[in-house]
Amino acid sequence: DSGVTQTPKHLITATGQRVTLRCSPRSGDLSVYWYQQSLDQGLQFLIQYYNGEERAKGNILERFSAQQFPDLHSELNLSSLELGDSALYFCASSSYPGSNTEAFFGQGTRLTVV
Amino acid sequence: DQQVKQNSPSLSVQEGRISILNCDYTNSMFDYFLWYKKYPAEGPTFLISISSIKDKNEDGRFTVFLNKSAKHLSLHIVPSQPGDSAVYFCAASYYLFPTGTASKLTFGTGTRLQVTL
Repeated sequence: DSGVTQTPKHLITATGQRVTLRCSPRSGDLSVYWYQQSLDQGLQFLIQYYNGEERAKGNILERFSAQQFPDLHSELNLSSLELGDSALYFCASSSYPGSNTEAFFGQGTRLTVV
Repeated sequence: DQQVKQNSPSLSVQEGRISILNCDYTNSMFDYFLWYKKYPAEGPTFLISISSIKDKNEDGRFTVFLNKSAKHLSLHIVPSQPGDSAVYFCAASYYLFPTGTASKLTFGTGTRLQVTL
């Protein structure tokens, strides 16, 4: 158990809909990362927050947004969903942004868009 | 722009032999490198890391070697065990003092290791 909790584990929704994925980081971790993994591909970095502020942005679509709340949990919002958005979405947390420490991953949310 | 590359999508090794997984990077700012292991339907789990001030780090059966001049690192698993069968991701980051500029973890595309009996 990495200490990072993601909910829900599975999500099935229709095209055009909007969903919210939730992540609770490890206790004490201030940095949260979101990654997308499609069809056994690599982990594509989406966005990173540190203590409530956006720190880095990757290949995140405009239809996607995220935020980190004062209690440090984070949400990834995906809207106007398309079939190609079906993927595993991982959240990870670390104590500092990009410092010499590892990030711990949650179990992921499997999103299926039908 | 793939800054971290794992050019071998898969590798098959016999149990008891050495597994060598390779990773190349292009961004010379990277100063911290990590290996993650991922089983199907699970999140990646941290395996081992190495700072750029070192060229080798060992943890049990796992050793990571870093060649900064070649921008190359490798993960050695010896002896390989069937439970090592998984996808291995190489990742890299940097943190610049004193500006505090930090990068996210950049991952390679992974190498699927199959350890056969």
